[in-house]
Amino acid sequence: GAVVSQHPSWVICKSGTSVKIECRSLDFQATTMFWYRQFPKQSLMLMATSNEGSKATYEQGVEKDKFLINHASLTLSTLTVTSAHPEDSSFYICSALRTGYYNEQFFGPGTRLTVL
Amino acid sequence: AQSVTQPDIHITVSEGASLELRCNYSYGATPYLFWYVQSPGQGLQLLLKYFSGDTLVQGIKGFEAEFKRSQSSFNLRKPSVHWSDAAEYFCAVPRGGSQGNLIFGKGTKLSVKP
Repeated sequence: GAVVSQHPSWVICKSGTSVKIECRSLDFQATTMFWYRQFPKQSLMLMATSNEGSKATYEQGVEKDKFLINHASLTLSTLTVTSAHPEDSSFYICSALRTGYYNEQFFGPGTRLTVL
Repeated sequence: AQSVTQPDIHITVSEGASLELRCNYSYGATPYLFWYVQSPGQGLQLLLKYFSGDTLVQGIKGFEAEFKRSQSSFNLRKPSVHWSDAAEYFCAVPRGGSQGNLIFGKGTKLSVKP
């Protein structure tokens, strides 16, 4: 299967700082990537759809100025949590869409963000 | 609107026993259906998927699922559970017409007794 990596796997930061999370598709090109957020013991909630070369599409209720998404190449999307606060602490998971006869989404291993 | 329901929040089975995790969906047409597994602190791994054709789908790790249109269900099964199967299981369907944008169920946590 296709491989998607995320970096870092975990990060601890102080309140008010910004954190960048990278999502890479290692063996295929992905025009579209997705960013999810998962709270403890809950399901994944889609935050935004990242499109290479264009602006991301954010889900209702997600602050686009707080969660900056950049999809600068066909293998890399980044999520920057700006001015992080403790309530932003969560597990962030990205996925990359491999297109073909059947489009299929491949998930990264996730990034655990803790804001102190 | 599309939706996915996993009625069981937490299931405990004994090692070696059979397993069935339930998933019901609401979808306007014939859906694509997915089952993912998530170990603690990890990302999601695809167990199996249904796109079309044979309604009984075989996946990895000995899992299978059956698509039943009449019941709007896609239940996950395994004949003999191993301790390493303890994890969170998510059923998912695409949102709208896009196969990439998924809606997930709330998940079922599986615990395995020795």
